[in-house]
Amino acid sequence: AQSVTQLGSHVSVSEGALVLLRCNYSSSVPPYLFWYVQYPNQGLQLLLKYTSAATLVKGINGFEAEFKKSETSFHLTKPSAHMSDAAEYFCAVSDMNRDDKIIFGKGTRLHILP
Amino acid sequence: EPEVTQTPSHQVTQMGQEVILRCVPISNHLYFYWYRQILGQKVEFLVSFYNNEISEKSEIFDDQFSVERPDGSNFTLKIRSTKLEDSAMYFCASSENRGNSPLHFGNGTRLTVT
Repeated sequence: AQSVTQLGSHVSVSEGALVLLRCNYSSSVPPYLFWYVQYPNQGLQLLLKYTSAATLVKGINGFEAEFKKSETSFHLTKPSAHMSDAAEYFCAVSDMNRDDKIIFGKGTRLHILP
Repeated sequence: EPEVTQTPSHQVTQMGQEVILRCVPISNHLYFYWYRQILGQKVEFLVSFYNNEISEKSEIFDDQFSVERPDGSNFTLKIRSTKLEDSAMYFCASSENRGNSPLHFGNGTRLTVT
């Protein structure tokens, strides 16, 4: 069975500082990996996805993530945090071959300190 | 940009009542999903739907739940006899294909069962 683990339910960074949100996955087959963002009272919006092409994936709003098979990780980063980045971030995984669903992690709430 | 729309945004119902949550997926999408998010918890998969039938469902999706695509545009989730623990945010999503196609989410319906 596939799963994702997000380390840290809350992360606080200062405005302008590096953002690092951690995600480790478990999958018996090559996975598709995603990061979604959820702003208050809204649905989930895709930030970026990994689909077995380049291991470094660039997404919207300056975010990127690197797929590291040896570490089974797909951490999300942004060089310089902005106040508008405050939101809940979800890592997700699906099976390349048979996915009829995406499995989400528990989410990490990102707080930006002025 | 096309959006997934959900109605109503908030539904309050009494325990034991039936509720129908409505969704209009993006028009050229072929796969449809329902997820739910209990307050403060992870986003959980309920069911996926393709070619007018359920393609996969989770343990949560028991006999009290059903989905339907009654016409060419709507996709509904029915809860036959609501329980207190059904209180959650319900998200509809659609995707163009399976596999690496990302899910596009609606803004959700907040269901409160009293």
